[in-house]
Amino acid sequence: KAGVTQTPRYLIKTRGQQVTLSCSPISGHRSVSWYQQTPGQGLQFLFEYFSETQRNKGNFPGRFSGRQFSNSRSEMNVSTLELGDSALYLCASSFAGGRISTDTQYFGPGTRLTVL
Amino acid sequence: AQSVTQLDSQVPVFEEAPVELRCNYSSSVSVYLFWYVQYPNQGLQLLLKYLSGSTLVKGINGFEAEFNKSQTSFHLRKPSVHISDTAEYFCAVSDLAGGFKTIFGAGTRLFVKA
Repeated sequence: KAGVTQTPRYLIKTRGQQVTLSCSPISGHRSVSWYQQTPGQGLQFLFEYFSETQRNKGNFPGRFSGRQFSNSRSEMNVSTLELGDSALYLCASSFAGGRISTDTQYFGPGTRLTVL
Repeated sequence: AQSVTQLDSQVPVFEEAPVELRCNYSSSVSVYLFWYVQYPNQGLQLLLKYLSGSTLVKGINGFEAEFNKSQTSFHLRKPSVHISDTAEYFCAVSDLAGGFKTIFGAGTRLFVKA
């Protein structure tokens, strides 16, 4: 079974631009969660999508948004990029978003975003 | 509100020595607890998880963790480490009150020396 894939793996943008990151979950998984990882703030939860609906949201500004398609693939968008948005963005997929005991989150390798 | 505290930011240890990585959490209700490992330039991999039942949880790569409700701790242990265990380790918690979103600790860098 293929794992979670994220594209692109590396991205360089300049301040003020916008960016879209993509995540393809494991086949059969309906939940996709996004996390931001930085040296200063660590791993922070951005949002979770389940069956095309945002089910949970972290404490990030509205510049961060996402969506999920009917095939469970998810995209994350960051508008008006700031230097502080430089980070590793990880997505994780699971069957039910951790709500059942047998569920496990599987992480992708991440997208490294650098904002200049 | 949920929170996770990993008490050590770095833990250096010699190969074949035992190691304990400490984790304390706060949560008002029953929790799910996790340990993840992250190797350089990779995503996170689940080592083990505690949902309920036995307080001693065994995971992959010879790791185990003990859930202690009274001390709100979930420390990770390995009796004998290898060079290949050098990585960043994250403790995490999720619960119903938090909508099952996963909250991570700051991480502990395990450095195994020859």
